[in-house]
Amino acid sequence: GAGVSQSPRYKVAKRGQDVALRCDPISGHVSLFWYQQALGQGPEFLTYFQNEAQLDKSGLPSDRFFAERPEGSVSTLKIQRTQQEDSAVYLCASSLDSGGQTYEQYFGPGTRLTVT
Amino acid sequence: SQQGEEDPQALSIQEGENATMNCSYKTSINNLQWYRQNSGRGLVHLILIRSNEREKHSGRLRVTLDTSKKSSSLLITASRAADTASYFCAIRGNKLIFGTGTLLAVQP
Repeated sequence: GAGVSQSPRYKVAKRGQDVALRCDPISGHVSLFWYQQALGQGPEFLTYFQNEAQLDKSGLPSDRFFAERPEGSVSTLKIQRTQQEDSAVYLCASSLDSGGQTYEQYFGPGTRLTVT
Repeated sequence: SQQGEEDPQALSIQEGENATMNCSYKTSINNLQWYRQNSGRGLVHLILIRSNEREKHSGRLRVTLDTSKKSSSLLITASRAADTASYFCAIRGNKLIFGTGTLLAVQP
């Protein structure tokens, strides 16, 4: 497809379960970003990849959160031992950013995670 | 933390009126971007203005940037019911930092 896709779109997890959220960026986009959006708030930055390199993970809220992009395209955000406060929409975005030039980001539809 | 703040938090207007939203930020930027989010289409990029630009237009959208005041404004002219959404400014330094958003309701 032409846009960023994410799966699953909805995920319900029991507290303590591990979850994995997938992002397929736009083909050819070098940069990939993960955001967390709580209800009624703007998206908050989690982490950023340029190709397979994770250049910034300063927004990850705890060591239970882990992201990877092993081949520089598809990315997975993993949350271990989920807690209720992890309930949010997780957004993935990709961009053409490279060589110091930054561009607009294209967002996927998000994964709504509910931890019960 | 969210370093951009939109003003007002909520805005209700009649179809055909203009809507103005403001964004203030605290740090230096490479560019500033405006996004729209509604339940139907998710988060959509509207316009990007670079730090060396002062004004930019795209269709019914007009964005201004004042780096000395660390502020930006988004003007939507001749609003339509379909413009009902949350609007976010996002500043770009090393990462994209979103503001808290303005909820715009356009009444038909």
